[in-house]
Amino acid sequence: GAGVSQSPRYKVAKRGQDVALRCDPISGHVSLFWYQQALGQGPEFLTYFQNEAQLDKSGLPSDRFFAERPEGSVSTLKIQRTQQEDSAVYLCASSGRISSGNTIYFGEGSWLTVV
Amino acid sequence: EDQVTQSPEALRLQEGESSSLNCSYTVSGLRGLFWYRQDPGKGPEFLFTLYSAGEEKEKERLKATLTKKESFLHITAPKPEDSATYLCAVQAVGSGNTGKLIFGQGTTLQVKP
Repeated sequence: GAGVSQSPRYKVAKRGQDVALRCDPISGHVSLFWYQQALGQGPEFLTYFQNEAQLDKSGLPSDRFFAERPEGSVSTLKIQRTQQEDSAVYLCASSGRISSGNTIYFGEGSWLTVV
Repeated sequence: EDQVTQSPEALRLQEGESSSLNCSYTVSGLRGLFWYRQDPGKGPEFLFTLYSAGEEKEKERLKATLTKKESFLHITAPKPEDSATYLCAVQAVGSGNTGKLIFGQGTTLQVKP
């Protein structure tokens, strides 16, 4: 597609509920990132995929957070047993091969509110 | 620890009043410094990438510059449509091949007509 597409754009979850956030990267982009952005703050890195391989998951805040990209294209970020502190915007970004200095493009984000 | 600090946190300008936003960084080795613009309710929109000290890039009313310790985003004769949050991010050599970006907290710019 023309840009990085994320769904849902808005999600309200009850505490303890599981949520799944989807990302469709720009066609042909091998690199995919997930970031978390709290209100009034800059985005914080969660995890990175090169094709289907998850090469860095150092930013995932707990084992309740899980990301996958099984076919090297669409990715899903899953949050189990949501807590109020999980309320944030979850941004997906994609790029060509990182070693080639390609630009990283962001989606519009998925706004998660845990009540 | 790699770190990015932006100042000021907020900036109000009159239309046509030029100013600069600062991004100070500490990083083990710089692969690239990125500027993004973010409008309310939207994702970050790419503006510039700078790779080495002394480099400058321009786009319309914006010019980004880079030294070994900081970057400036100069805004010349701003217009109300330049109102947004401007984010600075660094990509460290130590990030290996992940290309992880470390962001500052952003500067929120408001340009009044």
